[in-house]
Amino acid sequence: AAGVIQSPRHLIKEKRETATLKCYPIPRHDTVYWYQQGPGQDPQFLISFYEKMQSDKGSIPDRFSAQQFSDYHSELNMSSLELGDSALYFCASRHYPHSPPYYGYTFGSGTRLTVV
Amino acid sequence: AQKITQTQPGMFVQEKEAVTLDCTYDTSDQSYGLFWYKQPSSGEMIFLIYQGSYDEQNATEGRYSLNFQKARKSANLVISASQLGDSAMYFCAMRGLQSNFGNEKLTFGTGTRLTIIP
Repeated sequence: AAGVIQSPRHLIKEKRETATLKCYPIPRHDTVYWYQQGPGQDPQFLISFYEKMQSDKGSIPDRFSAQQFSDYHSELNMSSLELGDSALYFCASRHYPHSPPYYGYTFGSGTRLTVV
Repeated sequence: AQKITQTQPGMFVQEKEAVTLDCTYDTSDQSYGLFWYKQPSSGEMIFLIYQGSYDEQNATEGRYSLNFQKARKSANLVISASQLGDSAMYFCAMRGLQSNFGNEKLTFGTGTRLTIIP
């Protein structure tokens, strides 16, 4: 079965550089969520999109922006990178209102961003 | 606001024994969903089990079961007959089920690192 695809899997950037993370949801999933998981931390919600519109916003820095495109894939753009941005970035998708059998989310494998 | 509390930072369990991972939650939502995810060292987030707040029976998925006690606001994960491959980080998470999109995101606990000992 098709899963959520995130690219790249690993990314190394220098401070003050920019990075773009991509997420391709499961076909027919119309909702995408982005999470940031710092080392040894629990995932923190950044932002979500439903039908290409931003649906919710969490603790996302102003240096970050995101959008969902007409094919439902989403991109997280990160500028002026800081050392503290080093984390595992997850994308999850689901079909609203719910995706049986477990009404849950399918996570991608994540992008591990290292800022040096 | 929703809050998930996992009070066990780490656990060591002998192989083939059963293990219970604790999770308590706090929410003002009338309906909500509770999830457990497994995160091995490779980093991916693997869905294990789901419990809806109005489900009358505890959820089960193979060796995983969820001990749901609504009045106590707890949703403990029980893994029967643990295996070496169960060693991982385990996260409890919650989602509101209202139509307001603001409740649709998952809120995670801090996780429990489970280590299975041969």
